[in-house]
Amino acid sequence: DTAVSQTPKYLVTQMGNDKSIKCEQNLGHDTMYWYKQDSKKFLKIMFSYNNKELIINETVPNRFSPKSPDKAHLNLHINSLELGDSAVYFCASSPSGASGLYNEQFFGPGTRLTVL
Amino acid sequence: AQSVAQPEDQVNVAEGNPLTVKCTYSVSGNPYLFWYVQYPNRGLQFLLKYITGDNLVKGSYGFEAEFNKSQTSFHLKKPSALVSDSALYFCAVRPNSGNTPLVFGKGTRLSVIA
Repeated sequence: DTAVSQTPKYLVTQMGNDKSIKCEQNLGHDTMYWYKQDSKKFLKIMFSYNNKELIINETVPNRFSPKSPDKAHLNLHINSLELGDSAVYFCASSPSGASGLYNEQFFGPGTRLTVL
Repeated sequence: AQSVAQPEDQVNVAEGNPLTVKCTYSVSGNPYLFWYVQYPNRGLQFLLKYITGDNLVKGSYGFEAEFNKSQTSFHLKKPSALVSDSALYFCAVRPNSGNTPLVFGKGTRLSVIA
């Protein structure tokens, strides 16, 4: 049973292209996240959605646009890809509610994006 | 703003020996603290967390961590390391109020040598 899944696993593309990464969770969680892990393994939050509404939007270029069609899905669309966008992108989810702040997050397997 | 410091990029330990992976934090108010582990080419997996109460928390795979408020630390420990514990370990913190994101440390690579 896959809890948090991401597609594709690998994505190789040219500078200037537009690409999307999809994420789905079957855990019934209300909150979903996108993280970027750079080549030095540093992990940083990009976005967080709760019940399809954006609640956290860190300093991320406007070229990145998350979309949540329902609370089980959070997709990431990237326009005009740049070399610096090369990284591993992780989707995660967690329950919310009264205990939301201290609930652990469940991570997907990651999507390795390489921009040439 | 909250922050996490993992002062060691790499920790090497012999199999069967105790291990410690260090973490200190800075947060306004009281913290919620987490440890996650990342195996090669995988996503992060939750190990344990501190919310409140007993300063010693036990988690998955025999790991435990001790919350020390005066030293603002949350070091990860295991009494006897296994080769299979070799992975990248992340400490993370968020304050216990407000809608602020979880902040991760830069990670510590643990190598357990047989």
